[in-house]
Amino acid sequence: KQEVTQIPAALSVPEGENLVLNCSFTDSAIYNLQWFRQDPGKGLTSLLLIQSSQREQTSGRLNASLDKSSGRSTLYIAASQPGDSATYLCAARGGGSQGNLIFGKGTKLSVKP
Amino acid sequence: SQTIHQWPATLVQPVGSPLSLECTVEGTSNPNLYWYRQAAGRGLQLLFYSVGIGQISSEVPQNLSASRPQDRQFILSSKKLLLSDSGFYLCAWRLHYEQYFGPGTRLTVT
Repeated sequence: KQEVTQIPAALSVPEGENLVLNCSFTDSAIYNLQWFRQDPGKGLTSLLLIQSSQREQTSGRLNASLDKSSGRSTLYIAASQPGDSATYLCAARGGGSQGNLIFGKGTKLSVKP
Repeated sequence: SQTIHQWPATLVQPVGSPLSLECTVEGTSNPNLYWYRQAAGRGLQLLFYSVGIGQISSEVPQNLSASRPQDRQFILSSKKLLLSDSGFYLCAWRLHYEQYFGPGTRLTVT
């Protein structure tokens, strides 16, 4: 059974710092991995999707990497801003194209001005 | 472009009362549809998913049920709410690879 873990559970950094959020999964046979952002009391916003055949994806100041063999993904945020404060969740999809997402519990990020 | 709607945004219901939450998707056809619950301090729990009209798969046994009467409509229901049904309910859709979420419904059972 796939399990997804995110460490740390919470992170506080000063504005401008580069940071890395970690995601690990137990079953390397994933179809893809998706990173989301959730603001308090809101739904999830998709940030990046990495297919199993890809190593990384980039969007603006965000870069997500995927290493299936080690069961790890990282989300790199460059030059963090207070507006980046949110909870970040990763989710792994297994079971082929019809498999469902398995979510980690998230990392709560606080960027201090 | 595609959009997903959920209503109501917030709901306070007494124990034992019925529940109906609605989710609709616009701008796509035959999407996979999902219901999740997010309880305080816990991760996202998949409750139901549907790959087509009238087709519902349940992930966990519980006090809730789901229905998909139309291609882009997904309904979450209960006949009698329990205190443990409180939480943040999220609807999501997926057509190919990426999954998208609605704004959620905050349910408080008193």
